[in-house]
Amino acid sequence: GAVVSQHPSWVICKSGTSVKIECRSLDFQATTMFWYRQFPKQSLMLMATSNEGSKATYEQGVEKDKFLINHASLTLSTLTVTSAHPEDSSFYICSANSGGSGELFFGEGSRLTVL
Amino acid sequence: DAKTTQPPSMDCAEGRAANLPCNHSTISGNEYVYWYRQIHSQGPQYIIHGLKNNETNEMASLIITEDRKSSTLILPHATLRDTAVYYCIVRVSTGGFKTIFGAGTRLFVKA
Repeated sequence: GAVVSQHPSWVICKSGTSVKIECRSLDFQATTMFWYRQFPKQSLMLMATSNEGSKATYEQGVEKDKFLINHASLTLSTLTVTSAHPEDSSFYICSANSGGSGELFFGEGSRLTVL
Repeated sequence: DAKTTQPPSMDCAEGRAANLPCNHSTISGNEYVYWYRQIHSQGPQYIIHGLKNNETNEMASLIITEDRKSSTLILPHATLRDTAVYYCIVRVSTGGFKTIFGAGTRLFVKA
């Protein structure tokens, strides 16, 4: 089946620094990718929809200047957590549709720990 | 997307069938029922989806009621590795539409 890969799978950074997480569709083109955040023992919360070649669409309450999303190609979307703080520590997950199918494929997730 | 309701947790004995219910009383005619599961610290994994007919694949079976207001995911012979959070989602089948996750059901398979 279609594969979505995230990198890094885990990262530890100091407060105030920025962290970039990559999401790649390995064997299909994804015009749309989605970014989720998940806190311990909670469900996935949709942060934004990443559209290739255009600006991302953010969900209510998600700061677009805090979470920068770039979707410059059909196989790569990046999420940059700017000026990270401990409260940004979370599990970040991306997903993408394969072609026009409604089936969503998810990355392995990236665990961010901000000290 | 239509809202779904699932029990917060369920237990199942290893080797027995696990039946996970989901209510989606406000589902629209063009919305499918999708099931995903998430094993701890991993991304969600697709299990199965259907519109109105029952579906079966190598992982599970999906039973959808005739009025489409509820469905049941069946894992025929649960193993310890099936311990996970199971999410029932209703959404249109075409790409590009965002998927909203509910709380899901935490399934514990016990030896």
